[in-house]
Amino acid sequence: EDKVVQSPLSLVVHEGDTVTLNCSYEVTNFRSLLWYKQEKKAPTFLFMLTSSGIEKKSGRLSSILDKKELSSILNITATQTGDSAIYLCAGRMEYGNKLVFGAGTILRVKS
Amino acid sequence: SAVISQKPSRDICQRGTSLTIQCQVDSQVTMMFWYRQQPGQSLTLIATANQGSEATYESGFVIDKFPISRPNLTFSTLTVSNMSPEDSSIYLCSVDGWVRDEQFFGPGTRLTVL
Repeated sequence: EDKVVQSPLSLVVHEGDTVTLNCSYEVTNFRSLLWYKQEKKAPTFLFMLTSSGIEKKSGRLSSILDKKELSSILNITATQTGDSAIYLCAGRMEYGNKLVFGAGTILRVKS
Repeated sequence: SAVISQKPSRDICQRGTSLTIQCQVDSQVTMMFWYRQQPGQSLTLIATANQGSEATYESGFVIDKFPISRPNLTFSTLTVSNMSPEDSSIYLCSVDGWVRDEQFFGPGTRLTVL
């Protein structure tokens, strides 16, 4: 059964801290992994990663995939209260277009 | 990325009734996806909707409960039929982006069934 596991389930940090969120996957015929930020209803796309191992960056956020460890990390530096959200990762299979989502990490940034 | 809109944004319904959720995209897309997010849970794919063919449902979801229409390349509807409180969820449609494997979500519909 395809599975995506995220850790920690929740995290509370102070503004300015750096956080690392983890995602491990067991997805049949894995093709790519996606990270999303969910604040209210709609997940907002952050990154798409493949087994190439290329790091993706956007401002204070960065992410990379380790194909040997079947895992990915999402780093957020100099956190701000606006980073408070649920962060979701999802694995995508080679065949078909199904995304298998993890349970998410709830991040709360305190001022 | 495509601009996706959904209607309604939220609704409160009585058990036994049905609700149709609309998803509109500002560009033509081959596939549209419908997800459900139950309270405190992550997203689960309900079905994939292709224009001109029947939707493909994931295990645990059936057409009688979640009929889907896909009349053209920019529009789809999901109906939640004979609702019960267990159907209270956020329902989201999504489409693939221009870059391979990127997928974007609509704003979602928050459904509460009493």
